[in-house]
Amino acid sequence: KQEVTQIPAALSVPEGENLVLNCSFTDSAIYNLQWFRQDPGKGLTSLLLIQSSQREQTSGRLNASLDKSSGRSTLYIAASQPGDSATYLCAVHLGDYKLSFGAGTTVTVRA
Amino acid sequence: NAGVTQTPKFQVLKTGQSMTLQCAQDMNHNSMYWYRQDPGMGLRLIYYSASEGTTDKGEVPNGYNVSRLNKREFSLRLESAAPSQTSVYFCASNTRKGYGYTFGSGTRLTVV
Repeated sequence: KQEVTQIPAALSVPEGENLVLNCSFTDSAIYNLQWFRQDPGKGLTSLLLIQSSQREQTSGRLNASLDKSSGRSTLYIAASQPGDSATYLCAVHLGDYKLSFGAGTTVTVRA
Repeated sequence: NAGVTQTPKFQVLKTGQSMTLQCAQDMNHNSMYWYRQDPGMGLRLIYYSASEGTTDKGEVPNGYNVSRLNKREFSLRLESAAPSQTSVYFCASNTRKGYGYTFGSGTRLTVV
């Protein structure tokens, strides 16, 4: 069974600092890995998707890397802003209709 | 705005009561999903519908039933609510499996 782990569970940084969020998964037979953002009381918003054949994906200040062989992905957020405060979840696609989610990292960016 | 709409947003039930959570999408997506989110755990798939007319069990289907009413609507029913079903429920949809998920804003359900 695929297990997805996100460490740390919570993170607090001052504005301007770079954020590094970690995701690990136990089974490397994935089709893709996705990062989502969740704001309090809201649904999930897709941030980045990395295909299993890719090493990284970038969108603006966000960069996600994938090392499938070691079962790890890292989400980097450059020059953090208070508006980046949210919970970030990673999920792996197992090749059918199922995504396996981590529990998330809750980020607070202090002004 | 286009997207996934869930009703209600909040609900309190007594143990043993039944209720139906509603979900509708207006993006012409083929597939729809129901997830639950509990503190300290990732989202877990309850049921999904790959296409209109089909439904399949996910990771945690016990105590739930679903209906894919048409291409737009996918409902989740709790026949006899239990405190263990206290959770936040999310509906999602997409066109291609594994890609392009759109999530609703969730239903916060408390069973007392």
